[in-house]
Amino acid sequence: GQQLNQSPQSMFIQEGEDVSMNCTSSSIFNTWLWYKQEPGEGPVLLIALYKAGELTSNGRLTAQFGITRKDSFLNISASIPSDVGIYFCARISSGSARQLTFGSGTQLTVLP
Amino acid sequence: NAGVTQTPKFRVLKTGQSMTLLCAQDMNHEYMYWYRQDPGMGLRLIHYSVGEGTTAKGEVPDGYNVSRLKKQNFLLGLESAAPSQTSVYFCASTHGGAAGYGYTFGSGTRLTVV
Repeated sequence: GQQLNQSPQSMFIQEGEDVSMNCTSSSIFNTWLWYKQEPGEGPVLLIALYKAGELTSNGRLTAQFGITRKDSFLNISASIPSDVGIYFCARISSGSARQLTFGSGTQLTVLP
Repeated sequence: NAGVTQTPKFRVLKTGQSMTLLCAQDMNHEYMYWYRQDPGMGLRLIHYSVGEGTTAKGEVPDGYNVSRLKKQNFLLGLESAAPSQTSVYFCASTHGGAAGYGYTFGSGTRLTVV
């Protein structure tokens, strides 16, 4: 399948710090999605990107769709304890099934 | 509240036992999916359905079967559970449009096979 390479695998940061994580692929995508998963819950969509070069914000979160359409990054500014969770990048398949394919995730821990 | 409901939330099985996980959605979504989540591997697609009465294999279908007899329900079956099937299982649904915002996930079923 078309793999999404997500990094870093885990991050430990101090409250108030900024965070950056990214996803890359060998294939061109039409959509990049960023999800957050909190303990005991399913993933929840944070940001969806649909055009190369697109930069979209959602509160303290900012995500960009790379110009080459093969990468995307997610930034979190001024982290707070409730940012803790696993962050996933994902794409929607181009076929009729429209399933999501996920990266391996970035586990974020925010230290007080 | 509208959404995706998974039952049960937790289950422990002995090797060789069978069970069925139920996913129910009340949003009239056409597409439904079963994923499994293992540490460090993200979510991987097991089976999916693009409409009532249809099912298809995903990335990791071996050892699982599914049925979609009613539009609102998608069942995932394990005929003979193995320790390798210890995982957290998530169901998702969508109307099938292009927007990424259309996918809704359940809160998961944590399955342990001993």
